[in-house]
Amino acid sequence: DAGITQSPRYKITETGRQVTLMCHQTWSHSYMFWYRQDLGHGLRLIYYSAAADITDKGEVPDGYVVSRSKTENFPLTLESATRSQTSVYFCATVGRDEKLFFGSGTQLSVL
Amino acid sequence: GNSVTQMEGPVTLSEEAFLTINCTYTATGYPSLFWYVQYPGEGLQLLLKATKADDKGSNKGFEATYRKETTSFHLEKGSVQVSDSAVYFCALTIHRIQGAQKLVFGQGTRLTINP
Repeated sequence: DAGITQSPRYKITETGRQVTLMCHQTWSHSYMFWYRQDLGHGLRLIYYSAAADITDKGEVPDGYVVSRSKTENFPLTLESATRSQTSVYFCATVGRDEKLFFGSGTQLSVL
Repeated sequence: GNSVTQMEGPVTLSEEAFLTINCTYTATGYPSLFWYVQYPGEGLQLLLKATKADDKGSNKGFEATYRKETTSFHLEKGSVQVSDSAVYFCALTIHRIQGAQKLVFGQGTRLTINP
């Protein structure tokens, strides 16, 4: 099916472990984004990418790493997870007319 | 800087009530304004948008008018339904020459409609 998919849907990990959240889109949209959603903060931009091999920091990039070797994939890695990174993570792309398309989210718990 | 401020939630209404969710913004350029909705367990979906002053976005009975003079984009619906229960996010994006379009979101307003 066309669209944007995230995996895993749920993830529990321990402090200090490396975790990678996957995001895949089938449209070949240029821009892709990673947001985290926390109570009281709404959505905050972690990283974004304008095209393959082009990434840039958003509002809250510390502790995260991204890559974009292919247009359709935009994985987000927590190199050493901390409890403060417990959150719901959303990947998104922007299509024509500035419309954002969101994945269903990954709920991450860091114990 | 660019920011969006929404009214505090949660908001609880009875079915068929009139809804207003306030949204104001600050922006250094000429933003496009959006309302996104998030139903339980799902990602955000675009509800409506407006790209210039005095534009009115509308969808599914919801409306919002881009008011440059008051820097506002309040969401309204004349008669809400139980199925409108969700979290609503106001957002803006600034057009830039390089084409970068990053949305800045408000904190979200949780709406619950009781039958």
